[in-house]
Amino acid sequence: SQQGEEDPQALSIQEGENATMNCSYKTSINNLQWYRQNSGRGLVHLILIRSNEREKHSGRLRVTLDTSKKSSSLLITASRAADTASYFCATDPKGYSTLTFGKGTMLLVSP
Amino acid sequence: DSGVTQTPKHLITATGQRVTLRCSPRSGDLSVYWYQQSLDQGLQFLIQYYNGEERAKGNILERFSAQQFPDLHSELNLSSLELGDSALYFCASSVTPGDTEAFFGQGTRLTVV
Repeated sequence: SQQGEEDPQALSIQEGENATMNCSYKTSINNLQWYRQNSGRGLVHLILIRSNEREKHSGRLRVTLDTSKKSSSLLITASRAADTASYFCATDPKGYSTLTFGKGTMLLVSP
Repeated sequence: DSGVTQTPKHLITATGQRVTLRCSPRSGDLSVYWYQQSLDQGLQFLIQYYNGEERAKGNILERFSAQQFPDLHSELNLSSLELGDSALYFCASSVTPGDTEAFFGQGTRLTVV
């Protein structure tokens, strides 16, 4: 079953704009991770945020986590055409790295 | 390149057949995971192995089985294949089975006809 649900399902922006994707989940978690997938290829890990963390940065990425609302957001700043991909949040309820993925947000960045 | 190798990349087979998907984890990673990605079910965790032992099970059908060998490579066996088994099958690996990122292979695209 899907634990995380991303919102929006699809997002279309211009290069240079910021992209924000949201994720909601249902049960308590050990950590939450964001992954990127380019058109039917393998998933690439972007960032991991633990349940006791509220915000984390990595380059142009900023992730927030609100465990009281069971939600997370991924912000990509100054987006580029190369950021075009599907973005998934994944929760790790048990801390075994057995991830439960949402259905993803498809991001299209136009030049 | 994640360092996780999956073979074959593509597989086309008929209903009722059996196939084996192979995964070589990143050097040094002891934990291997299998995931299935389909249009209707999305990405689903199937099974996890750690250092040769089954560690966790997800939504894996009884027709499917997996194992991890002493050299840490893993195989996913799918039998009595049905049209609905057509999907992308991913293998991922991590150093330890907990609280850490997983590195995904490029997947095996299985088409059952």
